[in-house]
Amino acid sequence: EIVMTQSPATLSVSPGERATLSCRASQSISSNLAWYQQRPGQAPRLLIYGASTRATGIPARFSGSGSGTEFTLTISSLQSEDFAVYYCQQYNNWTWTFGQGTKVEIK
Amino acid sequence: QVQLVQSGTEVKKPGASVKVSCKASGYTFTDYSLHWVRQAPGQGLEWMGWINGGNGDREYSQKFHDRVTLTRDTSASTAYMELSSLTSEDTAMYYCARRYDSGWYDFWGQGTLVTVSS
Repeated sequence: EIVMTQSPATLSVSPGERATLSCRASQSISSNLAWYQQRPGQAPRLLIYGASTRATGIPARFSGSGSGTEFTLTISSLQSEDFAVYYCQQYNNWTWTFGQGTKVEIK
Repeated sequence: QVQLVQSGTEVKKPGASVKVSCKASGYTFTDYSLHWVRQAPGQGLEWMGWINGGNGDREYSQKFHDRVTLTRDTSASTAYMELSSLTSEDTAMYYCARRYDSGWYDFWGQGTLVTVSS
């Protein structure tokens, strides 16, 4: 099983600042990586797929990068609605696993 | 617009089974696969399995393979997840999600809360 490891577990950021979230795969997954945002009491929402492609309707302040085993989600200027939990997910070779999540909280 | 609407909250006793439905609309049901993901209280997302809306092929996580059954009714554009031999550790929110292309989930159901308690 491909294990996804996210860091940090919690990220404290002030509104307007940049947030950088990391996700590491236990083996190469090429660019088969997605990022999801989950606000309290809501279902996850797709942000990024293919490691770097924004989903429909996702603001440009969200960007993804990386390939192989190391990936990054960057939120360029945090808005109030961005404080949430973020999950990475790999979908390589007909398997699917999630990271444990990074909570972005208000500093 | 694409929607996945799940059935309502369930409360079950240990040892019982639960069956959750996921009704799809806004797209051709048989053109996509549906995945099931669960989330225990305060925890992360856990993949359970998937079913092909067209041919019914399915695959289960090793963790659940002996307790979960995925089915679908194409005439009703609805997928079902049945989990048996419930324990308190199965208390969680259960989500269905549509898989797009090779693997990401572009639409999610609203979730179904399953509580297992004696």
